[in-house]
Amino acid sequence: EVQLVESGGGLVRPGGSLRLSCAASGFTFSTYSMNWVRQAPGKGLEWVSSISGSSSYINYADSLKGRFTISRDNAKNSLYLHLNSLRVEDTAVYYCASGPYDSSGYLTYWGQGTLVTVSS
Amino acid sequence: DIQMTQSPSSLSASVGDRVTITCRASQGISNSLAWYHQKPGKAPKLLFYAASRLESGVPSRFSGSGSGTDYTLTISSLQPEDFATYYCQQYYNTPWTFGQGTKVEIK
Repeated sequence: EVQLVESGGGLVRPGGSLRLSCAASGFTFSTYSMNWVRQAPGKGLEWVSSISGSSSYINYADSLKGRFTISRDNAKNSLYLHLNSLRVEDTAVYYCASGPYDSSGYLTYWGQGTLVTVSS
Repeated sequence: DIQMTQSPSSLSASVGDRVTITCRASQGISNSLAWYHQKPGKAPKLLFYAASRLESGVPSRFSGSGSGTDYTLTISSLQPEDFATYYCQQYYNTPWTFGQGTKVEIK
């Protein structure tokens, strides 16, 4: 059974940094692209970033480029999202998600999400 | 970026009703469209990919159709567990983009 478990969320002050993690199990992690999707309180879904299985291809939402960095460690079956220069509007539940194959754009598997709150 | 526009933003319906949600892309996306639903406090769940391919385990009362820029999700007979928010998503080009959501509420 595929499982994705996010961690690392919490309360951070504006301008601060945070690293989110996603632990994957139940599939051959290194052969699947992975994504981060976020959802602000009471709002819709916003795709954040994706990374291919080999880390060769990385994409970001235009509005987040330069502040967020996606990475993965295939030996640890883990996905990461480094959030820098955080703003109040980055407050959201952050989900990790994957499709059924590398470079899949649709998302079959989702974690339960981790809440990031940016507030002074 | 490709903009995705869903309509309506919300609707009220009764159990047994037929419900249709539409999604329009700002440019052609060649059926690279997924549908999800989401219940409060839960992660989204994939319903369809490639516009009309039903994800395993999704009931057959759900159907997806469309082409080019216009796509439709239909629930033939609304069930209590279908009350949720529905999102479309294009994966034709990065950045992947979602519609704003359609909340299906109990009448």
